[in-house]
Amino acid sequence: KNQVEQSPQSLIILEGKNCTLQCNYTVSPFSNLRWYKQDTGRGPVSLTIMTFSENTKSNGRYTATLDADTKQSSLHITASQLSDSASYICVVSKTNAGKSTFGDGTTLTVKP
Amino acid sequence: DAGITQSPRHKVTETGTPVTLRCHQTENHRYMYWYRQDPGHGLRLIHYSYGVKDTDKGEVSDGYSVSRSKTEDFLLTLESATSSQTSVYFCAISDQAEQFFGPGTRLTVL
Repeated sequence: KNQVEQSPQSLIILEGKNCTLQCNYTVSPFSNLRWYKQDTGRGPVSLTIMTFSENTKSNGRYTATLDADTKQSSLHITASQLSDSASYICVVSKTNAGKSTFGDGTTLTVKP
Repeated sequence: DAGITQSPRHKVTETGTPVTLRCHQTENHRYMYWYRQDPGHGLRLIHYSYGVKDTDKGEVSDGYSVSRSKTEDFLLTLESATSSQTSVYFCAISDQAEQFFGPGTRLTVL
């Protein structure tokens, strides 16, 4: 069973709308949680990274939240653009630079 | 791509042949990783390195070996390629917490 579960598996929204992606994890002990964006045919690119003590981190129109007590994270995208169409991957690490556990990703499609 | 290159970017090979993929970094990061990505699966760790000549297995290491003789290069070898190793392979480097990914290598084993 994957220790990092993402939902929904896929999502379609209209350009300009907001959306929220979810990540639940059971990885323990917890070091950091990262969100990546992966465009088709490219490698993942980091959006945010949060440690245990952080509960929110923003990167432009992307805002990630973390509740370490419930082991949940979300990625909120504001005023979506066509270029936001991609796969969004949640990654949880036990130790810095050690092995990480990847979620299967949420595929977001933004339509005009 | 944070100073990471992978070669080749695309390769088609036949079952039973050896294949070597190369990852090269210009960031002088200590940690390097090889992942594979398949439909329906998240990125899965094959092997990783925490220094020159220091490597360890990941969750899907069977059929793969690695070598790191220099800080900047991390090689992944498929000793005898099988069709189940058809995948997209990503190299990553790390500066402790953050991981940076290369552009990927698409490998097809016929």
